[in-house]
Formats: sequence, C-alpha cells, structure tokens
Amino acid sequence: DGGITQSPKYLFRKEGQNVTLSCEQNLNHDAMYWYRQDPGQGLRLIYYSQIVNDFQKGDIAEGYSVSREKKESFPLTVTSAQKNPTAFYLCASSIGWGEAADTQYFGPGTRLTVL
Amino acid sequence: KQEVTQIPAALSVPEGENLVLNCSFTDSAIYNLQWFRQDPGKGLTSLLLIQSSQREQTSGRLNASLDKSSGRSTLYIAASQPGDSATYLCAVSNDYKLSFGAGTTVTVRA
Repeated sequence: DGGITQSPKYLFRKEGQNVTLSCEQNLNHDAMYWYRQDPGQGLRLIYYSQIVNDFQKGDIAEGYSVSREKKESFPLTVTSAQKNPTAFYLCASSIGWGEAADTQYFGPGTRLTVL
Repeated sequence: KQEVTQIPAALSVPEGENLVLNCSFTDSAIYNLQWFRQDPGKGLTSLLLIQSSQREQTSGRLNASLDKSSGRSTLYIAASQPGDSATYLCAVSNDYKLSFGAGTTVTVRA
C-alpha cells in the first residue's frame, strides 16, 4: 500500500530535550511538508521540501529543524528552543509543488506532549 | 498574507439533513482549493480539490463550489449520516503552500 507513515504516534518530551519525529512516504512524491495543529486552529506550515537536499522555512520554523537526505524521508526535530512544542504534528507530501501541486496526502500524525 | 475563515465553527444536525459548510479566503490568486476531512486524533483525508479555473466538483454526496472572485467556497453534503461526523477543513493553495481554515466540526445525530 502506498502512503505516508509517521512515528511514533505519541511522544513525550521533558523540558530541554530535543526529539525527532519520523515521516516516510512511498508515493514517490517530490514535495514534503510538516505542519503543526493546535486545538481550534488551522494547520500551520513549519518546513517544506520540494526536492532532495533542499528545504525551506514555513511560517513557524523557529525552534524546529529538518533534513531531506532521501526522497522518501523528511524527519522533523523539535529542539529545546521551541517554547511551546505540545501539539499535533502532521506530515504531508504531494506530487509537485506550487501550481503543479495536486492534493497533499497526509500521514496519521504524531502527538507531542511536553512534561 | 492569505487568511482562511470557516463558518460555523461547529454544526449539529439530525441524520438525513443536508449540510452546508462555508469557507472564505482573502487573496483570490489561488491555484486550487481543497476540502479535507479529519477524524479525532487522525490525519487529514482529501475530499475534493477544485482548480482555480473550475466552479465546482462533485463526489458522491459531496459537492463543492468555488467563487474565486469573491473568495468563497461552499461544501454541500447531501443526506447526512452519523458517519459524516468529523471536522472539515478548507485549504487554499498559493505558490508553494496551503493555507488552512480552523475547520467546522460536524455532528450528525442519529
């Protein structure tokens, strides 16, 4: 089955720790995205990548970092510099980007809680 | 900056009633508009995508219209069922990104 997987489903972090959220896709999509969702709010874009070895900051990149060493993988690191990291994190991918983008396909999400 | 608004924030209807969900956006220079469904604690599932040159899209009981010049879209769900209970999100595409509304949470009462 083609799709996007995210792990873990639930993640707990202590203050001051960095944690890494995994996102893998086998859809052969070029573009990948990370979003954050808070209660009662729409999704906000953290980072996006249009091609391997390239990524760009989204609207709320501070306190986060990413890498795109392989087409299938786009891990997100939540650093200790992120002041309010408790949220639901969603990874997505699309065939193209911008005007050529079709729908984005989403993973099941990771819920991060800071203890 | 693109702003997307969805009204109402929540909606409760008896089974069988038609649903009307509204979405408005401030920048009409969009590539497309998408409607997604999200179940509690889950990811998003794409329902319909309307290209900027299109006026509407239909899939089964779902119909979405787009009026780009006025910055509005409406999602109609006919003959609602309890299984339609979920949060429905509208998103518009500008350049490289999607801008999302906060969603409308729908409850269909059996």
